[in-house]
Amino acid sequence: GAGVSQSPSNKVTEKGKDVELRCDPISGHTALYWYRQSLGQGLEFLIYFQGNSAPDKSGLPSDRFSAERTGGSVSTLTIQRTQQEDSAVYLCASSRSGTGSGANVLTFGAGSRLTVL
Amino acid sequence: QQQVKQSPQSLIVQKGGISIINCAYENTAFDYFPWYQQFPGKGPALLIAIRPDVSEKKEGRFTISFNKSAKQFSLHIMDSQPGDSATYFCAASRTGAGSYQLTFGKGTKLSVIP
Repeated sequence: GAGVSQSPSNKVTEKGKDVELRCDPISGHTALYWYRQSLGQGLEFLIYFQGNSAPDKSGLPSDRFSAERTGGSVSTLTIQRTQQEDSAVYLCASSRSGTGSGANVLTFGAGSRLTVL
Repeated sequence: QQQVKQSPQSLIVQKGGISIINCAYENTAFDYFPWYQQFPGKGPALLIAIRPDVSEKKEGRFTISFNKSAKQFSLHIMDSQPGDSATYFCAASRTGAGSYQLTFGKGTKLSVIP
């Protein structure tokens, strides 16, 4: 597609439920990132995928959070046993490559707004 | 540890005025400094970026000033327009081998009033 596509755009769930958020990056972009945007907290790095390399999971806040990227394209961020503090906008971004010129030029999706009641 | 500090948190500027947003970083290994612009309901979009080999970069009404010794950089928006009203994020990262995660500031909500 022309841009980074995320779904759902909005998700309301009850505390303790599991949620899955999907990201479809720009075709040909080998690098994919997940960020979390909380009110007044900027963008918090969660996880980074680059090609077939092991993902950089250093930003995941707890073991309730996990992500996978299938076939080097679509990614799913899973939050298990959701808590109210997980409420935020989850942003996905992709870039042409993880190395070299253009590596740092991230194109973001519109985000998935998660509300945990 | 917050590696990129951004100020102010919010800014109100009259149409035609100059908007200035400042950022400071701690990690001397950072060598790429972009600014992202975010409108409500949208993801951030790259506005302008600079590398430390230059002290200033200008694109239209937007200018980044970079002070390597002070580890500071700023965004200047000249002739600010109501359409510039958005949240602006500074960011920083390393380039070269390794992880390319951008570290973002907390954002500045800019309102340009007619």
